[in-house]
Amino acid sequence: EPEVTQTPSHQVTQMGQEVILRCVPISNHLYFYWYRQILGQKVEFLVSFYNNEISEKSEIFDDQFSVERPDGSNFTLKIRSTKLEDSAMYFCASRQDRLNTEAFFGQGTRLTVV
Amino acid sequence: AQSVTQLDSQVPVFEEAPVELRCNYSSSVSVYLFWYVQYPNQGLQLLLKYLSGSTLVKGINGFEAEFNKSQTSFHLRKPSVHISDTAEYFCAVRETSGSRLTFGEGTQLTVNP
Repeated sequence: EPEVTQTPSHQVTQMGQEVILRCVPISNHLYFYWYRQILGQKVEFLVSFYNNEISEKSEIFDDQFSVERPDGSNFTLKIRSTKLEDSAMYFCASRQDRLNTEAFFGQGTRLTVV
Repeated sequence: AQSVTQLDSQVPVFEEAPVELRCNYSSSVSVYLFWYVQYPNQGLQLLLKYLSGSTLVKGINGFEAEFNKSQTSFHLRKPSVHISDTAEYFCAVRETSGSRLTFGEGTQLTVNP
């Protein structure tokens, strides 16, 4: 069964460092997302991406965040200068098309900023 | 904007007992409704979804949910739980014309022998 894969599963980084979280969405999907879950809190929407551009972003997704689809398979989330409060589980998701309502999620990357 | 409230943060039950996990939502526009499950150290997996039509929807692993428009609720039920159902359960909504999911706080279901 096709699945969304994320790497790494766990990343530890020092405050101020840049991190790149990687995702491989399901191959025929067109809509891509990043969500995050701070420990003990809700899963929160960060950004959606379609047709090689951001289609929607939340207030959390400020200038320190960026997304990219550098080739036909990967979808990345870059955090430019990490802060302690960026520590969270980051989930990538993909959806097939506008009419298909189900989003498939990856297993997540646990980011720990020290 | 939408919001989702899961009324119980933790629900402990005994094996083979019935369970109901409660979810209420608020939205000024039409929404789709979802329940996702997160097993320990795993990602979010779709349990079931309500798009339109019959208000009772059945999902995987014997779960079902009922959409109640007048009470803006979408409670999840299972008549007899197993130890393997121990997980975190998330209710979520999405505008029918939108893209992002809005999640509730999650309910930790713990099934004890």
